[in-house]
Amino acid sequence: EDQVTQSPEALRLQEGESSSLNCSYTVSGLRGLFWYRQDPGKGPEFLFTLYSAGEEKEKERLKATLTKKESFLHITAPKPEDSATYLCAVRLRNQFYFGTGTSLTVIP
Amino acid sequence: ETGVTQTPRHLVMGMTNKKSLKCEQHLGHNAMYWYKQSAKKPLELMFVYSLEERVENNSVPSRFSPECPNSSHLFLHLHTLQPEDSALYLCASSQDKSDTQYFGPGTRLTVL
Repeated sequence: EDQVTQSPEALRLQEGESSSLNCSYTVSGLRGLFWYRQDPGKGPEFLFTLYSAGEEKEKERLKATLTKKESFLHITAPKPEDSATYLCAVRLRNQFYFGTGTSLTVIP
Repeated sequence: ETGVTQTPRHLVMGMTNKKSLKCEQHLGHNAMYWYKQSAKKPLELMFVYSLEERVENNSVPSRFSPECPNSSHLFLHLHTLQPEDSALYLCASSQDKSDTQYFGPGTRLTVL
């Protein structure tokens, strides 16, 4: 069965402490991998789309990378305002599959 | 208004009530979606409308009924819901079914 797994489930970082979030998928035929940020009580906010292995995209302190079986969201020198849940989704054929997210807390 | 808007933002209803959720997108997209988000679970796709074609998740109970009068508006009609239907209901839109989806702020639904 198609599956998207995000790890860790929760992550606490000190302000300025860089780290990475992981999104892995167990299927072939990826047509796109999407990262979203979700604040409590709000809808997911689109961050990046990646289409092929080796692709990288950056936005402020965030950089997303993609390999054949997983994607990483690297957070460099995070600030408290980066605290949120980060969701990834994969598109396979015409279906989208979401992970359960990583809850990131950045402590001042 | 810009992006994807949803009303109401919060809704409390009894199991015998009938209510509707509304979504409007201002992005000129051709596809719209309803998702259910429950704690610790992945987003669950409920319905997709694309160019007037409806695709649904067969596991969605009939007490949820979608309506898409045009490409900018989407409704979710609710009747005789159960407490386990309490969740955040998210609307999204995309240029087409294969494109990046943009989400609204959601409706927090509580069924008593």
